[in-house]
Amino acid sequence: NAGVTQTPKFRVLKTGQSMTLLCAQDMNHEYMYWYRQDPGMGLRLIHYSVGEGTTAKGEVPDGYNVSRLKKQNFLLGLESAAPSQTSVYFCASSYVFGDTEAFFGQGTRLTVV
Amino acid sequence: GENVEQHPSTLSVQEGDSAVIKCTYSDSASNYFPWYKQELGKRPQLIIDIRSNVGEKKDQRIAVTLNKTAKHFSLHITETQPEDSAVYFCAASRSGNTGKLIFGQGTTLQVKP
Repeated sequence: NAGVTQTPKFRVLKTGQSMTLLCAQDMNHEYMYWYRQDPGMGLRLIHYSVGEGTTAKGEVPDGYNVSRLKKQNFLLGLESAAPSQTSVYFCASSYVFGDTEAFFGQGTRLTVV
Repeated sequence: GENVEQHPSTLSVQEGDSAVIKCTYSDSASNYFPWYKQELGKRPQLIIDIRSNVGEKKDQRIAVTLNKTAKHFSLHITETQPEDSAVYFCAASRSGNTGKLIFGQGTTLQVKP
C-alpha cells in the first residue's frame, strides 16, 4: 500500500519550459488536491478535484492546469514555467472532502531558473 | 474567501515546557479543524483534528481547543521533547463539495534540550 506517490521528486526547469507533475493514490479516494509550499506562506491550494473528470480552482490557480482522467491520478501541469513557480509541490487525497484526514505525497521540489 | 491565520510563525521552548499555537479562521461555516506536523524534508502528517461539535480534544501530550464564537482554535503541546521540533500547520474546512482545506502559514517549533 503506497498511499500517495508523486513523480518526479526533484526537477529543474528553464523559464518557459513546460512539465507535468503526476500524483497517484491507491486508497480509492474521491478527493485530490495540489498545494504549493513556500517559506512563511504555508500550504496554498492550487487546484482540487472532487471526483474523476472534475477539477476546480483553489487559492492560487494562475499558471497551472490540472486533469483528473482517472480516479487514482491527478496531474498538475505548468505550460510555461516562471521563476515565481519555484516551490515545493504537494499532492494530497482524502476519502471525504475537507472533513477527514488528507494524506500527502512526499513532495516535488521544483526550481525554475 | 476563506482565510486561516496562524501565530506565532516561530516558537522556541525548553524541553519539558509547554507550547501553544493559535489559529483564527474567517469562514463561519467551517466545521473541521485539523493540525498537521511536518518534519524537515518530510510530508505533512495529521496529528490531531477537531470538529465543530466538540470544544476540546486530547491525545496524550497534545490537545486542541476550539472557540466557535471567536472563530479560533489552538494546539497545546505539553512536556515538549526534542522530537516535537517541526513545522506545525493548522487548517480549516467545511463538509461537502464546496469546502476546501485551507492551511495557516505554519509555525516552526524548536524544542531545545
